[in-house]
Parts: sequence; structure tokens; C-alpha cells
Amino acid sequence: DADVTQTPRNRITKTGKRIMLECSQTKGHDRMYWYRQDPGLGLRLIYYSFDVKDINKGEISDGYSVSRQAQAKFSLSLESAIPNQTALYFCATRARRGETQYFGPGTRLLVL
Amino acid sequence: AQSVTQPDIHITVSEGASLELRCNYSYGATPYLFWYVQSPGQGLQLLLKYFSGDTLVQGIKGFEAEFKRSQSSFNLRKPSVHWSDAAEYFCAVGAGTGTASKLTFGTGTRLQVTL
Repeated sequence: DADVTQTPRNRITKTGKRIMLECSQTKGHDRMYWYRQDPGLGLRLIYYSFDVKDINKGEISDGYSVSRQAQAKFSLSLESAIPNQTALYFCATRARRGETQYFGPGTRLLVL
Repeated sequence: AQSVTQPDIHITVSEGASLELRCNYSYGATPYLFWYVQSPGQGLQLLLKYFSGDTLVQGIKGFEAEFKRSQSSFNLRKPSVHWSDAAEYFCAVGAGTGTASKLTFGTGTRLQVTL
């Protein structure tokens, strides 16, 4: 369903370019997450946010930054993209009192 | 810190055969355990979850999983696989609720179904 949306769905960019990936949700959840997926590595957490003023680094935050513009929006930026940031990026949300994370459809990013 | 191991990178089964995907976790307290499925070109869909109570949990699409604390395992099973089950499956462990809740994923098992 479209409760968690990500834009763009696919993006090709060049090394050194700044790029922003956006995530929006209509689930009313407080918690939002950004992951990247690489073949053979599963999903790894980049950043997470428990509310608009609470942003935390995940296990692989270097080279990334985030912005929580509103409860429903959480953006991921690559300030200067490099080829090893080529991956599938997922946004997820979770309710404050829930345990389940709900994922968006993903953004496939290729850095040339 | 928690961790998840999915020892099988790739599994092939015939349509109609039974399936078991293995998942072992490491976590010091009672874990929250999840299985997600990712179909080709799609996002992650929750199959089932375990928080407490009955150790055999039922999920969508005919899947079930059994939590075995003594073996630190949460294996996913399906009695009869359908061709549409071909996908990648991820096991994940959550480090509790509230502000501490983060998911750690396994590396995934890719399921191929032969006709």
C-alpha cells in the first residue's frame, strides 16, 4: 500500500553530486528510519528519528545526513555522492508504542 | 549488541515441497523477532512477528515460524511452496520497545522455486 512513499524510485547520479532521497508517510508514526541494502549484506541502518527533534546515527552514517522536516517527512542526503553509495535505500516507520517497522518501496540509487 | 545469522544464502525448492529457512539470533534479553519478504523489485513486507506468548506464530501467505529460546532460533516454515514464494527473505531482531527499538537484519536468504 502507499502508507510509506519514497521519491524518487530510481536515480542515477555522478560522483560528487549532492542528492536527496525523500520519504513521506501517512501512518501517523513517530519513528522513522533510513536503511541501505547491499547484496549479501542485508539491510543496514543509516539514521533514525524518534520525533522531529530527535535524530540519531545508525551503524553506517558516514557520508549521509538527514532532515526530519515534519512528523511525516524524513529526508536522506548524500552531500557528495561516491560510487560505493550505490545501493537500494529503504525508509521505514514505526509507531511509538509498536514494535513493527513498515517499509517503503525503496529507492534504487546508482552513483557513476 | 544484537545480531542475526541466516546461514543459507540461496535455497532452491520444488513447487509443492516444504520449506524451512533458518535464522539464529544473538541478544541478551527477550528478543522481538521478525520475518520480512522482499519480492523482486519490491519493498519489504512483514510476514510474521514474535514478541511473546505462543512460540509458534502464524503469518501471512501460509508461513509460520517457531521461536526456540534454547537454540536462539526463529526458523520460517511453509508446508507447500508456491512459485510466487520466490523472493528474498530476511530475519530481523528488535532490541525492545520504546526508544531502544532498532532492527538488526540478517543478510537474507534467496528462495528459488522450480516448477
